[in-house]
Amino acid sequence: DAGVIQSPRHEVTEMGQEVTLRCKPISGHDYLFWYRQTMMRGLELLIYFNNNVPIDDSGMPEDRFSAKMPNASFSTLKIQPSEPRDSAVYFCASSQDRVERNTIYFGEGSWLTVV
Amino acid sequence: AQKVTQAQTEISVVEKEDVTLDCVYETRDTTYYLFWYKQPPSGELVFLIRRNSFDEQNEISGRYSWNFQKSTSSFNFTITASQVVDSAVYFCALSEAQNQGGKLIFGQGTELSVKP
Repeated sequence: DAGVIQSPRHEVTEMGQEVTLRCKPISGHDYLFWYRQTMMRGLELLIYFNNNVPIDDSGMPEDRFSAKMPNASFSTLKIQPSEPRDSAVYFCASSQDRVERNTIYFGEGSWLTVV
Repeated sequence: AQKVTQAQTEISVVEKEDVTLDCVYETRDTTYYLFWYKQPPSGELVFLIRRNSFDEQNEISGRYSWNFQKSTSSFNFTITASQVVDSAVYFCALSEAQNQGGKLIFGQGTELSVKP
């Protein structure tokens, strides 16, 4: 079975540009999470969805960040405008609560560098 | 409040040594889940194990074993006869049952280096 698929794997962009990260969760999973990993803050939850509906976005740093899940198989995390402090690894993850309670599977991450 | 503490920032061992990674957690929930994830140098996060708060049985999987003790709020991870391929950052994580779907709180990670 395919795991969580993220794109792009690596992105280098200039400050002020818009960045869009994409995620395809594992088929049948009803929860989708966006996490960010930095040296300073470790792994932190940005936002998560249940059945395509945002449940908790309290981790989203500021208005420059937005996330959408238009359908069960696709989600985006957008940063506009990007800043150097947004440089991090962004992980998408998904889970299927009914089968494996609270067990989250992660994608390979999108490595973002803002210069 | 939920919190996961991995006091060991870095551990270095020689191949074939046994090594234990410590994890201490805090939660007010009576039902919760504990996890270990591995992050190898390639960067992905690999799920290793999940334990339920109501099941304190220790678990062994090959060279890996986990010791869950509610009395001390600990969920330690032991690698027996370590190998170079075990070199990675290991994260302990907590999810409270009230957070359906698995909202995870991670520890800061322990970087394990296994030298030949």
